[in-house]
Amino acid sequence: QVQLVQSAAEVKEPGASVKISCKSSGYTFTSYWMHWVRQAPGQGLEWLGRINPTGESTLYARKLQGRLTVTRDTSTTTLYMELTSLRSEDTAVYYCVREIFSGSGSYLYWGQGTLVTVSS
Amino acid sequence: EIVLTQSPDTLSLSPGERATLSCRASQSVKYNKFAWYQQKPGQAPRLLIHGASSRAAGIPDRFIGTGSETDFTLTISRLEPEDFAVYYCQQYDYFYSFGQGTKLEIK
Repeated sequence: QVQLVQSAAEVKEPGASVKISCKSSGYTFTSYWMHWVRQAPGQGLEWLGRINPTGESTLYARKLQGRLTVTRDTSTTTLYMELTSLRSEDTAVYYCVREIFSGSGSYLYWGQGTLVTVSS
Repeated sequence: EIVLTQSPDTLSLSPGERATLSCRASQSVKYNKFAWYQQKPGQAPRLLIHGASSRAAGIPDRFIGTGSETDFTLTISRLEPEDFAVYYCQQYDYFYSFGQGTKLEIK
């Protein structure tokens, strides 16, 4: 069965960076686009970015351009998200997600979420 | 950016009733690149509907997605106790965006 297992919660100070991992299993990793979505406490869902199956192409939300980097390691079937220059408003649960079928844009599989807290 | 506006913000109904949730897009969503999700407290969202009207695997047929272009609707034909949750719409035609959510609560 498809599993997306994310790294543990992080606490960071403003201005620092965070890198979250998402280990995939149960399917062919190089066949699907992957995305990151976040949810601030008590708030709605926000799309952050995506990466194509081979890792050669990325697309980011305009508000995070320059601060967000999404990568994938096909040898370990792991997806990564790095967010720099952290601010308090980046405090959220971050989810990695896999599309229902490649290129569809809707998300059937979700990681368990990683809470990132930005606080001094 | 396509902005999605859901209505109402909160919907209070009783089990057995019919729920109608709406989502309006600021511009036309092409090719029905539209989805609905359900989220319960402490859980990740669950995909209900993709392609505007196709149910994801394992989703009961009481969940019905309709609509096109700028107006989309999720209907839950007969509410079960487990259906009370927050619902989000999403478009994936131009970039990706979500609505602000509709909370479906027990009356």
